Amino acid sequence: GAVVSQHPSRVICKSGTSVKIECRSLDFQATTMFWYRQFPKQSLMLMATSNEGSKATYEQGVEKDKFLINHASLTLSTLTVTSAHPEDSSFYICSAIGLAGGYSYEQYFGPGTRLTVT
Amino acid sequence: GENVEQHPSTLSVQEGDSAVIKCTYSDSASNYFPWYKQELGKGPQLIIDIRSNVGEKKDQRIAVTLNKTAKHFSLHITETQPEDSAVYFCAASLMGGGNKLTFGTGTQLKVEL
Repeated sequence: GAVVSQHPSRVICKSGTSVKIECRSLDFQATTMFWYRQFPKQSLMLMATSNEGSKATYEQGVEKDKFLINHASLTLSTLTVTSAHPEDSSFYICSAIGLAGGYSYEQYFGPGTRLTVT
Repeated sequence: GENVEQHPSTLSVQEGDSAVIKCTYSDSASNYFPWYKQELGKGPQLIIDIRSNVGEKKDQRIAVTLNKTAKHFSLHITETQPEDSAVYFCAASLMGGGNKLTFGTGTQLKVEL
């Protein structure tokens, strides 16, 4: 199946700094990528939808100036958490939709990035 | 918007028994229903999905059923094994309408020896 990678898998940063998370589709072109946040023992909450070459669409309640998303190519999307605070500590997961195996609606998920803000 | 409810939140079964997880959705326009398995510290993995034009789909020990009228869909795992222990999420989406997934709240499945 199609593979989505994320980097880094874990990151610890100090409060007030910014951190960038990369999401890559390794063997297919992702027309759309999604970013989710997941708190412990909770479900995945969609943060934003990202289409290549256009601005991301953020879900209600998600601050676009705090969570900067760039979908620069059909295989790469980045999420930058700016001025991070301890409450931003969470598991961030990306997914991608593309023409993988002829099924254009299946979402392939990355392995996630554990962000800890101290 | 879409709302997906999932039950039970936790499920313990003996190895070899069957496990059933149920979900309901609110938006009758939703037409794609995937199920994901998530192991601790990892991203979700698609295990099976079903489109609204199909009532049932099976893949080895896993099956999904869909009742469009009642807006219910269920995951059935037969002959459970310890490696089936994980959190399972159902989701609903409108294909071609943004493809955004709305997830259920998850079910922690524990298969005991």
